[in-house]
Amino acid sequence: DAGITQSPRHKVTETGTPVTLRCHQTENHRYMYWYRQDPGHGLRLIHYSYGVKDTDKGEVSDGYSVSRSKTEDFLLTLESATSSQTSVYFCAISEVGEETQYFGPGTRLLVL
Amino acid sequence: SQQGEEDPQALSIQEGENATMNCSYKTSINNLQWYRQNSGRGLVHLILIRSNEREKHSGRLRVTLDTSKKSSSLLITASRAADTASYFCATASGTYKYIFGTGTRLKVLA
Repeated sequence: DAGITQSPRHKVTETGTPVTLRCHQTENHRYMYWYRQDPGHGLRLIHYSYGVKDTDKGEVSDGYSVSRSKTEDFLLTLESATSSQTSVYFCAISEVGEETQYFGPGTRLLVL
Repeated sequence: SQQGEEDPQALSIQEGENATMNCSYKTSINNLQWYRQNSGRGLVHLILIRSNEREKHSGRLRVTLDTSKKSSSLLITASRAADTASYFCATASGTYKYIFGTGTRLKVLA
C-alpha cells in the first residue's frame, strides 16, 4: 500500500465521543486526502491537505476536522461521532506532478 | 452529488470473456482515472487518460474517453478470476482534487 498506514484499522465507539484517525506516509508526498466509503456512494472526499498546515474541505466535511503538523501525518477527527459517520475511511496521497493517488488500507469505524 | 456514475452497478461474466464498464461525469475534466478495489482493501490505480486523449491501453486494459459525451469506458479483455473486484472512475477538474464514482462490481466466474 505504497508506504501508507492507517490507525486504528478498526474502531467501535459510542455516539457523542470524539474519534481521531491517523494516516501516516513514508513517501514524502505533498498531498494527502481523507475519504469515506459507503455503499451506494462510492468514495467521497472529506478533507484534503496540500502541505503542512494547509488543508481544505471536501464534499462531506461537516462534523470532521483535520490537522497536518508534519508532512508524514494527516489526522482526521470526528468531533462528536454520530451513527451516520459509521463508514470505512481511506487515506490517500499524491505527489506534485503526478495525478495518481495511492491509498491506505482503510479504517472501519462503527459508531453505536 | 457524484461527479462520476459507473454503469452497470454490477457485472458477472465467465472467465475469458471481456468486461466493459462505463463512467459518466458532469463537468469539464483535466483527466479521468480508473481504480480497482479488491474486497476489504484500498483502491489501486489502473490507468489515467487525459482530456486530450481518446484511447489508451495498458496490458489487458483499454480505456476510451469521449469528452463531448462526458463519458469513459474501461474494457478488460480475457477476464480472469483475479479481476473480480470493484472498479471506480475518478475525475479531476481542478488541481489534485478528485471525485470518485459509485463503482462497478465485477465478478469473473471460473
